[in-house]
Amino acid sequence: GAGVSQSPRYKVAKRGQDVALRCDPISGHVSLFWYQQALGQGPEFLTYFQNEAQLDKSGLPSDRFFAERPEGSVSTLKIQRTQQEDSAVYLCASSPPGGPYNEQFFGPGTRLTVL
Amino acid sequence: AQRVTQPEKLLSVFKGAPVELKCNYSYSGSPELFWYVQYSRQRLQLLLRHISRESIKGFTADLNKGETSFHLKKPFAQEEDSAMYYCALSALSGGYQKVTFGIGTKLQVIP
Repeated sequence: GAGVSQSPRYKVAKRGQDVALRCDPISGHVSLFWYQQALGQGPEFLTYFQNEAQLDKSGLPSDRFFAERPEGSVSTLKIQRTQQEDSAVYLCASSPPGGPYNEQFFGPGTRLTVL
Repeated sequence: AQRVTQPEKLLSVFKGAPVELKCNYSYSGSPELFWYVQYSRQRLQLLLRHISRESIKGFTADLNKGETSFHLKKPFAQEEDSAMYYCALSALSGGYQKVTFGIGTKLQVIP
């Protein structure tokens, strides 16, 4: 079946522009995670959804970052007034319901470059 | 707070040589440990999890709670093992399993 998909794959924005990144998780996956991966770093947690509820947004770096998952499936990560330090790969992952040993299934990522 | 440390950013070994990718963690409770791998031009994917005590593609990892380590090992490296490897810790936080990743180690197998 289809895995996690993300769009766009690449996004170039001018500093100050708003961007929206989309994630389509695997059907039936309750949990959805967003990560930010800077060059040479591991994925850093941004936010977590269980169905449509955003249970943890402690990793969002500033109030310019906003995420939603209104119907418990597709999720959008929005970044307002982008800055150069926002340049990174943004990864989305989904996970089925169950216990702590569930693996996370990752999308291909969106590479954001802010000029 | 949970933390994962991978001390080597790059590890180069010759084909056929043993491989050990180091991972240390910091967590006060009982963690679940994973290794994820990212091959060139592919997405991040699970390699193995400690609870399964499995061997995947010849790789094994043993959780050592005394040393708080979860090193990834393979007796004989193959060229196709060249990839980025991320150690990850999953722990209960605010009612869900939160995953923390290490910085990653790039394994380069020299033919």
